[in-house]
Amino acid sequence: AQSVTQLDSHVSVSEGTPVLLRCNYSSSYSPSLFWYVQHPNKGLQLLLKYTSAATLVKGINGFEAEFKKSETSFHLTKPSAHMSDAAEYFCVPVGADKLIFGTGTRLQVFP
Amino acid sequence: DGGITQSPKYLFRKEGQNVTLSCEQNLNHDAMYWYRQDPGQGLRLIYYSQIVNDFQKGDIAEGYSVSREKKESFPLTVTSAQKNPTAFYLCASSIDAASYNEQFFGPGTRLTVL
Repeated sequence: AQSVTQLDSHVSVSEGTPVLLRCNYSSSYSPSLFWYVQHPNKGLQLLLKYTSAATLVKGINGFEAEFKKSETSFHLTKPSAHMSDAAEYFCVPVGADKLIFGTGTRLQVFP
Repeated sequence: DGGITQSPKYLFRKEGQNVTLSCEQNLNHDAMYWYRQDPGQGLRLIYYSQIVNDFQKGDIAEGYSVSREKKESFPLTVTSAQKNPTAFYLCASSIDAASYNEQFFGPGTRLTVL
């Protein structure tokens, strides 16, 4: 069965510094993977999607993620955090018939 | 504007009452989904519908019911049988039910039981 682990429940960074949100998945095959973002009391918005076309995936708002099969990881990065990046982030592998949601990582950005 | 709307944004229910949450989409998507989100947790799938007049139970369907009489609408009823209904409810849709397709989410309804 597919599963996902987001290694940090909370990440705090200063504005202008890099962001790293870690995600490990378990799967018996190369999965499709999403990163979604949720701002407080809002729905989820797709940041980026991996579907095996390229291991480095660029998304919206300057985010990108690299798929590493050997490490079963799909970490999300951004070179320079902005205050508006403060939100909850979900790494979501695609299961056989549904999306697999982890518990999320809350990103705080300090001025 | 194309998208998904959910109403109401906030909903209060007394013990023993049924309430219905609305979800409408104008994206012409075949598949629609209902999720429940509790604090500090990810999303859990309640029900999904791959096509009009068809729906399937998700992981936590007990105490909930749905209908899909129109392509654009997928209302969720929280019944009195749901013992702990206070949560944030999210509706989503995708072009079809293939799980690798992006799901588009509505803004959510926060349900509180008084």
